[in-house]
Amino acid sequence: EAGVAQSPRYKIIEKRQSVAFWCNPISGHATLYWYQQILGQGPKLLIQFQNNGVVDDSQLPKDRFSAERLKGVDSTLKIQPAKLEDSAVYLCASSLEAGPYEQYFGPGTRLTVT
Amino acid sequence: DAKTTQPNSMESNEEEPVHLPCNHSTISGTDYIHWYRQLPSQGPEYVIHGLTSNVNNRMASLAIAEDRKSSTLILHRATLRDAAVYYCIPSYGKLTFGQGTILTVHP
Repeated sequence: EAGVAQSPRYKIIEKRQSVAFWCNPISGHATLYWYQQILGQGPKLLIQFQNNGVVDDSQLPKDRFSAERLKGVDSTLKIQPAKLEDSAVYLCASSLEAGPYEQYFGPGTRLTVT
Repeated sequence: DAKTTQPNSMESNEEEPVHLPCNHSTISGTDYIHWYRQLPSQGPEYVIHGLTSNVNNRMASLAIAEDRKSSTLILHRATLRDAAVYYCIPSYGKLTFGQGTILTVHP
């Protein structure tokens, strides 16, 4: 069974530039999550999708971050414009459904903002 | 979200059992107790979860206190590959990661 795929694996940009991350969840998984993990901290949930609808985006900085999940499969997370404090690993995860189900995480995208 | 307390770090020797404790005294009745681990430079990995009864799987065992205010993750025979940060997360579904416990395994 293929795992959660993410690209790119690494990205370096200058502040005020824009960047986009892509995630392909495990086939058949209805729920998709984006997390931000700053060095030395645990992952923080940014947004949760159920199929192509947003369930929870309470911790997403909506002035600069946006995410979509068209057709309820792949998802993209965008930052525009980036700030130095956005340097982090961005993790995508998926689960069969929302609730107490195992979440499968991708390898993450390491973003460095200079 | 329920507040959790885990030791910052623990050490073990290879092939010995490891007991990782977690206190979650404010857990709600519908919260499951999830354990995830994160190896260096990787995304988190599911280990085990349970509601009230003790649970076993191929990776570990989860012992849940009768009042559900604490739990213990048990690795029966630690290997070098078990060195990771272990997160205990009381939740119905939404995962809120704390600092976790850094487990070091010595050969």
